[in-house]
Amino acid sequence: SSELTQDPAVSVALGQTVRITCQGDILRTYYAIWYQQKPGQAPTLVMYGKHTRPSGIPDRFSGSNSGSTASLTITGAQAEDEAAYYCSSRDSSGNHWMFGGGSRLTVL
Amino acid sequence: QITLKESGPMLVKPTQTLTLTCTFSGFSLTSSGGGVGWIRQPPGKALEWLAIIYWDDFKHYSPSLQSRLTVTKDSSKNQVILTMTNMDPVDTATYFCAHNDFGAYYFDYWGLGTLVTVSS
Repeated sequence: SSELTQDPAVSVALGQTVRITCQGDILRTYYAIWYQQKPGQAPTLVMYGKHTRPSGIPDRFSGSNSGSTASLTITGAQAEDEAAYYCSSRDSSGNHWMFGGGSRLTVL
Repeated sequence: QITLKESGPMLVKPTQTLTLTCTFSGFSLTSSGGGVGWIRQPPGKALEWLAIIYWDDFKHYSPSLQSRLTVTKDSSKNQVILTMTNMDPVDTATYFCAHNDFGAYYFDYWGLGTLVTVSS
């Protein structure tokens, strides 16, 4: 399909590990890109490529890919990780971008 | 340091044309490669990619909005302009511009966004 599907809501206990997933056929071709967005703020790039974190992103964030599913894992979730997480990819033409519907992470 | 800032009207009427400007610094859209994209987000909803313009003036648009969108650049002013015609209340959203590094497939720096409300 030409869509990226995410679970709308995910929760994790403070200090525990959470995996946020993104499904789409295009992920068999392109690695997913992950953005974090806190309320009232612009998105922040947190993961791209096979498992590359931009400078300044804590190493508790990691990425993985398997077939048509990409995952963003937060190991030892912190209160400040509570946010919406969006996956993104180029489409099959390579010229357009698409975003998933977003996963709102709650840290309990 | 790369920064981007969106500017434009906060309120437009239905059927009007929206013009937004992205003013950036820390990179050039002349010879250094890369591009500037536009992404929007209706209140409480997901991100939606709209368009991108590259340093060499190549442009790509969202297939679903292509007929209504135009993106241009003024490299001398370090600005990218997005126009969207025939605005409708469903176009009410925060509009972001973002930097795309040369050869990259992600947006690494984003503006703060500007909320545009479409209402009569």
